[in-house]
Amino acid sequence: DQQVKQNSPSLSVQEGRISILNCDYTNSMFDYFLWYKKYPAEGPTFLISISSIKDKNEDGRFTVFLNKSAKHLSLHIVPSQPGDSAVYFCAASAGTYKYIFGTGTRLKVLA
Amino acid sequence: GAVVSQHPSWVICKSGTSVKIECRSLDFQATTMFWYRQFPKQSLMLMATSNEGSKATYEQGVEKDKFLINHASLTLSTLTVTSAHPEDSSFYICSATQDAGGPADTQYFGPGTRLTVL
Repeated sequence: DQQVKQNSPSLSVQEGRISILNCDYTNSMFDYFLWYKKYPAEGPTFLISISSIKDKNEDGRFTVFLNKSAKHLSLHIVPSQPGDSAVYFCAASAGTYKYIFGTGTRLKVLA
Repeated sequence: GAVVSQHPSWVICKSGTSVKIECRSLDFQATTMFWYRQFPKQSLMLMATSNEGSKATYEQGVEKDKFLINHASLTLSTLTVTSAHPEDSSFYICSATQDAGGPADTQYFGPGTRLTVL
């Protein structure tokens, strides 16, 4: 049973436009959410996180939105840059160290 | 930022042999290290959590006698796949945190190790 789902395996966006990556979850006990970025041959790197007491967290070009009623979170990248091309994983935690990861979305930003 | 390395980056072994994978935190002391496994087109699955000097905590369904974890120091954890079989072929990735291992503590990931068992 996949508790964290990233239904879009890939996404292509033009440079300068907005990239929106989506993530859905099923476990209402999740209270902490993260986004990681992964380049080929490298480990995932932490990007941004949000706790369930907030509905938005912003860090530079990256903003994460959380809709608890819909059990949905999204990552917005504005403006998108070619260097943002990577695989993005969302992850969720239910108050413990155990992260449940989605399957990832491959973002390609076209120059 | 915090750097985590893994060695080897890839390994091919014969069925029945054992393989050791090292995970090192290079510029920080890792109080807690995590081992994940990723099958193709699937998500990262947590296998076990280890704290320096104590026994690892394994996730349900992970055989502790098959996947031996040793966290001997604050900068090194090892995963040994014993009596490897082809179904153990996977991408193994470790992460480390320098904090207490709670949910808000950032996990820093290594680059992963690709294991292929023939």
